[in-house]
Amino acid sequence: LAKTTQPISMDSYEGQEVNITCSHNNIATNDYITWYQQFPSQGPRFIIQGYKTKVTNEVASLFIPADRKSSTLSLPRVSLSDTAVYYCLVGAGGATNKLIFGTGTLLAVQP
Amino acid sequence: DARVTQTPRHKVTEMGQEVTMRCQPILGHNTVFWYRQTMMQGLELLAYFRNRAPLDDSGMPKDRFSAEMPDATLATLKIQPSEPRDSAVYFCASGFGLSMRDTDTQYFGPGTRLTVL
Repeated sequence: LAKTTQPISMDSYEGQEVNITCSHNNIATNDYITWYQQFPSQGPRFIIQGYKTKVTNEVASLFIPADRKSSTLSLPRVSLSDTAVYYCLVGAGGATNKLIFGTGTLLAVQP
Repeated sequence: DARVTQTPRHKVTEMGQEVTMRCQPILGHNTVFWYRQTMMQGLELLAYFRNRAPLDDSGMPKDRFSAEMPDATLATLKIQPSEPRDSAVYFCASGFGLSMRDTDTQYFGPGTRLTVL
C-alpha cells in the first residue's frame, strides 16, 4: 500500500518561498495528489490538487514529476498567517479505496 | 457559505458509554468521510461513503465503531462501548466525487473533541 512521507517541520521567514515535498512511492496510476492546510483547533482546509506536471492557483503551486512518486507544494512569499501544518493526501493504491494522509509538516513562519 | 456541521463539538464521557457523533454534509455533496486525529497517529481515515454506500471502512475498529448514513443529509459515527483510547478529535468531511478512486476535494467540519474517562 502507498505510504506518504513528509518532513516533520520547516522554518521560514516572511516573504520567502517555501517548498514542502511529499513522497508517495506507490501511488496508483489514477490517483490524484491533494494538499491540505490545518490550523490549531480547526479541520484541514483544501489548498490544491493535481495529477501531473504543474498546477497553480491563487495560493499555491503544485509540482509533480513524471514518475509521480513525489510532489512539492510551493507557497510563494509566505506570511505569519501561513504558519500551520500541511498534509499531502493520496490514494493507498492497490485494490483498496483507502486514502492516506501524510504525517504532516509543521511550517513555522517567523517575522 | 456552505459548511459541514458536526455535533457535538465537545463530548466528555465515561468508559463503557455509547457515543454518537453527527455530521451534516454540504448540500449536494455525495461523499462523506470520517477521520480521527490524535497527536500520536495523526489523521486517520476511519470510513467513507459515496451516495450513502460505504466505499471503505477498513480504518474503523469494527467491534465497537459503526458508521451510517440514514439519509443524504446526515452521517453518524457511533462508538459502543467507548474506551479511553478513543479520545481524539473526530472530523467529518464531505465532497463530490464521480469515480471510485478520485480523491475529490474534501471540506472538513470543525470536529468533535471526544474525551473518554
